[in-house]
Amino acid sequence: GEDVEQSLFLSVREGDSSVINCTYTDSSSTYLYWYKQEPGAGLQLLTYIFSNMDMKQDQRLTVLLNKKDKHLSLRIADTQTGDSAIYFCAEKRSTLTFGKGTMLLVSP
Amino acid sequence: NAGVTQTPKFRVLKTGQSMTLLCAQDMNHEYMYWYRQDPGMGLRLIHYSVGEGTTAKGEVPDGYNVSRLKKQNFLLGLESAAPSQTSVYFCASTGVTTVTDTQYFGPGTRLTVL
Repeated sequence: GEDVEQSLFLSVREGDSSVINCTYTDSSSTYLYWYKQEPGAGLQLLTYIFSNMDMKQDQRLTVLLNKKDKHLSLRIADTQTGDSAIYFCAEKRSTLTFGKGTMLLVSP
Repeated sequence: NAGVTQTPKFRVLKTGQSMTLLCAQDMNHEYMYWYRQDPGMGLRLIHYSVGEGTTAKGEVPDGYNVSRLKKQNFLLGLESAAPSQTSVYFCASTGVTTVTDTQYFGPGTRLTVL
């Protein structure tokens, strides 16, 4: 299909790890991104991965890329209540194509 | 450095009214984009521009017009607003020298059409 797919909702407890999954469509996408949107705000780039990489780690964030399955995941270690937000996966074709977003709810 | 700004932040229109949303960026970016965000739909691209004086249609262009008369500004117009255009509108920009093609987003305009 043409859509970037994400699960819509994830609920975790503070201190747990969160894993948000995404499937994308275009194997020729050069970059894949994770954006974060806090309530009432615009999107901010959280992290990205270049298509020739399998993994990228940035502090509490780990991005895994499985090009064969066109699967992207974002792992947040030691999830905090401040991580509660909507997370968007996006792939770079001629323009950016976004998934519908995963709402992450972190409870104390 | 303000980044990407949008004016206004909120607006309520009646069906059939017109309005213009303004996006401004101070990063000297060549590319600018207008998206709409609706519940359960994610972000959908309305129109975009690859440079001053150029515009192109995105995924959902109907009912909207755009203009890019100055490099730093990208205007989104609704000539005759409809309730289906109730949404949150985001502007974004990126530059040819932005290494990862990252788009920088404005804070959004919440539009309600009654």
